[in-house]
Amino acid sequence: EDKVVQSPLSLVVHEGDTVTLNCSYEVTNFRSLLWYKQEKKAPTFLFMLTSSGIEKKSGRLSSILDKKELFSILNITATQTGDSAIYLCAVVGWGAQKLVFGQGTRLTINP
Amino acid sequence: KAGVTQTPRYLIKTRGQQVTLSCSPISGHRSVSWYQQTPGQGLQFLFEYFSETQRNKGNFPGRFSGRQFSNSRSEMNVSTLELGDSALYLCASSLGAGDAGELFFGEGSRLTVL
Repeated sequence: EDKVVQSPLSLVVHEGDTVTLNCSYEVTNFRSLLWYKQEKKAPTFLFMLTSSGIEKKSGRLSSILDKKELFSILNITATQTGDSAIYLCAVVGWGAQKLVFGQGTRLTINP
Repeated sequence: KAGVTQTPRYLIKTRGQQVTLSCSPISGHRSVSWYQQTPGQGLQFLFEYFSETQRNKGNFPGRFSGRQFSNSRSEMNVSTLELGDSALYLCASSLGAGDAGELFFGEGSRLTVL
């Protein structure tokens, strides 16, 4: 059965710190790994990763995928209070019409 | 362009009742997926529809059902509600021509079962 495990489940840091969120997965016929940010209700899309070793970057956020070791990391540098959210990792296999999500990491940034 | 719209946003029901939730996808999106989110289980896949056909279904009992209309709008129904059905129900849409990829989520319908 496809599975996604995120760590840590919860993280509290000070504004300005750099954080690394982890996502490991098991999926049949891996196609993509996706990261979402959920602040209040609707998860919003951050990144989709399909190739190993290629970093995706958007401002202070970046993510990379290791298909050999079956994990991904999401980095956030110079964190701000607005980065406080639940970060969700999900995977999808070829031929699947569903995403399998991890439990999420609850990130809290204190001023 | 308008995002994914879900109604109602909040609802309270009692055990044994049934509920219908509605989802209007982004214009032009033909795939609609439903997910249940609870603190203990996280986001779990319920089902996915494309062109009025259910393409995939998660591991939920038959009390959970859904459908999609010709305009891509979707509804899900939960019958004989149980306390454990209390959750945030999220709808997501995508262009849907192939496999699941980037999903656009609605704000969700928060169901409380008393």
